[in-house]
Amino acid sequence: QSVLTQPPSVSGAPGQRVTISCTGSSSNIGAGYDVHWYQQLPGTAPKVLIYENNNRPSGVPDRFSGSESGTSASLAITGLQAEDEADYYCQSYDTSLSGSVFGGGTKLTVL
Amino acid sequence: EVQLVQSGAEVKKPGESLKISCKGSGYSFTNYWIGWVRQMPGKGLEWMGIIYPGDSDSRYSPSFQGQVTISADKSISTAYLQWSTLKASDTAMYYCARSLGGVVARFDYWGQGTLVTVSS
Repeated sequence: QSVLTQPPSVSGAPGQRVTISCTGSSSNIGAGYDVHWYQQLPGTAPKVLIYENNNRPSGVPDRFSGSESGTSASLAITGLQAEDEADYYCQSYDTSLSGSVFGGGTKLTVL
Repeated sequence: EVQLVQSGAEVKKPGESLKISCKGSGYSFTNYWIGWVRQMPGKGLEWMGIIYPGDSDSRYSPSFQGQVTISADKSISTAYLQWSTLKASDTAMYYCARSLGGVVARFDYWGQGTLVTVSS
């Protein structure tokens, strides 16, 4: 099991807002290490969606946003679209592992 | 244009060795870290390790330390992931990805993945 915990699945109807949580500890998110979020569409390589907690790379719609507080981080998606159906992963550094780690991943279903 | 191009799919038997590659282009290869990520069938992403081609400094996840070797040849802008003795449990998709800041930073560009199948 990963040291970053994500819900296995979330769902929402088109146009709705969903959030995906990433719960860590004092050895990763709580220690102040940045959280990054990735989107993986079926059969493709992951793509960075949010970096350093709340920054969007160019080309990523502003429907996607990130936040961080304490030992947790969240990815929010507003105005849900069918094309958002994918797996989402958080990533951060962990001092006890002396390396980076991904969350277990969350499958987003657009109803 | 930044590109990471990985070697093709491999089918191997348990006990065999393997080295897969990741060739970078469109940027200064020696100024960015290259990481490797495993994705077993139907499962999530796992951070395996990372190397800085400029000086070959490498770091490994405890889960993969001793199980694989990460290397790089900066003269041909290529990073490698190798196994000396493959197991069936090594069957997975392996991605390489680029990072400016090493272990704490995001992967901003990814390779297309190399599927490794280990079966007798």
